[in-house]
Amino acid sequence: AQTVTQSQPEMSVQEAETVTLSCTYDTSENNYYLFWYKQPPSRQMILVIRQEAYKQQNATENRFSVNFQKAAKSFSLKISDSQLGDTAMYFCAFVSSNTGKLIFGQGTTLQVKP
Amino acid sequence: DGGITQSPKYLFRKEGQNVTLSCEQNLNHDAMYWYRQDPGQGLRLIYYSQIVNDFQKGDIAEGYSVSREKKESFPLTVTSAQKNPTAFYLCASSSPRDRDNPEAFFGQGTRLTVV
Repeated sequence: AQTVTQSQPEMSVQEAETVTLSCTYDTSENNYYLFWYKQPPSRQMILVIRQEAYKQQNATENRFSVNFQKAAKSFSLKISDSQLGDTAMYFCAFVSSNTGKLIFGQGTTLQVKP
Repeated sequence: DGGITQSPKYLFRKEGQNVTLSCEQNLNHDAMYWYRQDPGQGLRLIYYSQIVNDFQKGDIAEGYSVSREKKESFPLTVTSAQKNPTAFYLCASSSPRDRDNPEAFFGQGTRLTVV
C-alpha cells in the first residue's frame, strides 16, 4: 500500500526568506506522479507543483521548486522569497497511474511572518 | 467554464439520518474521489472511482457509500452507521493516466454538521 508522510506539522518563515517542506512516500509502483497542494483558510485546494516520477529533472514553478529523490522516495518543496500570501496548509500527494488512487500526507501548516 | 461542483456548501442533519453530498464535474476526467478533512488534519480518502460503474474503498470507507452511474457524477452518502460524520468533505477529479495533466481538481467542499 502507498503512504505519504509529512513529518513537520507546523513551520514558520520570515517574509522574503526561503523555507523547505519535507515529504516522504512509499510505493512499489513505477508509474506515478507527486504533487504539492496549498490549502489557504478558504479551504480551496490549489495545485502548487507536480513531478512526474519518470522525469529526473526537478520541477520548478516560479518561486516554488522540488527536490525529488526517487531512490530515497523523498519529495521536498522549497519556497523562495516567501510572501505573506504563502501562509497556508501544504499537502504532499501521490497518485498511481495504474490504480488511480490519490493519497495525501498529513499536511504542514506554514506561517509566513512579516 | 470547466470545473467541479460540490453542493451544498453547508449541510445540517439530525443524528441517525442518511445524507447525500453531490459532486459533479465537466472536465471529462476519468477518476473521481471523496475525502474527509477534520479540523487541522489532512485529507483522508473515503472512496474513489476510476471508471463508470466501478469504485474502490479508501482508508475510511466504513459508514459511507457511493455510486458512479455517470462519468460526471460521484455522489457520497453518509449513512447513520458513520459514528462521527461531522466534518468537511472534499470531492476531486482527475485523469491520472494523462501525462500532460494528471493533477486533481477539487470542489469547494461541503461542511456537514450532524446534531
